[in-house]
Amino acid sequence: EAGVAQSPRYKIIEKRQSVAFWCNPISGHATLYWYQQILGQGPKLLIQFQNNGVVDDSQLPKDRFSAERLKGVDSTLKIQPAKLEDSAVYLCASRSDLAGTQYFGPGTRLLVL
Amino acid sequence: GENVEQHPSTLSVQEGDSAVIKCTYSDSASNYFPWYKQELGKRPQLIIDIRSNVGEKKDQRIAVTLNKTAKHFSLHITETQPEDSAVYFCAASRAGGENKLTFGTGTQLKVEL
Repeated sequence: EAGVAQSPRYKIIEKRQSVAFWCNPISGHATLYWYQQILGQGPKLLIQFQNNGVVDDSQLPKDRFSAERLKGVDSTLKIQPAKLEDSAVYLCASRSDLAGTQYFGPGTRLLVL
Repeated sequence: GENVEQHPSTLSVQEGDSAVIKCTYSDSASNYFPWYKQELGKRPQLIIDIRSNVGEKKDQRIAVTLNKTAKHFSLHITETQPEDSAVYFCAASRAGGENKLTFGTGTQLKVEL
C-alpha cells in the first residue's frame, strides 16, 4: 500500500512571501489532517477534513493560512504571507473510516528567512 | 481542550535495559492513545496504540498500559537496542482516533552501547 505523499520536501522562502504544500493521502482514506511540527515539539493540528468538508480548523491561523481539499482526495495548504515563526515541518496525515490509525507523510520542511 | 504532558523529555539507557515513558491527559472523553516513533528528519510512525476499553497491550518488546481513572498511560520498551534511539510521542484523541491527535512534547530516547 502506498503511503501518504507530500511535496515539496523542503522549501526556503523570505518572510511575507507565499508558499503552498501538497498532500496525496492513502487511497480510500476519507479523513485528512494537516499538522504543524515546530522543532522540538509534538505535531499540532491545523485542520482536519472529512472528504472535502472541514471538520476542525480551530487552530488554523486563518488570516494567513488556508487549506482546501477539492474532490475529497488531494489537499493543499497555503501560507500567505509567511512569517518567521511559520518555520516548521508541515505534516499531512490520513485515516480510513475503519480504524483509528493516522498515517503520516514525510512532511514539508519550511524555513522562512 | 485536551492537554497531554509527557515525561521525561530525555532518557538515556544502556542497551538491553528497559525504558519507560509516561504521559498524562486532561480530557476524560479521550479514548484512543497512540504512540509514535520519530527518527531524525523522518515521519512519525505508529508503534503501538491502546483504546480505553483495554488496560494493557503488548507487541513483542513494546507494551502500553492505561489507567483511565488517573488519566495516565505509559510506554514500556524492554531489551532496548540502538535502533530504538529516536523521539517518542504519546498522543490522545476522542472518538477512537477520528478526532485530532493531541501530542505530548516528546521524549528523546538514547540507547547506549
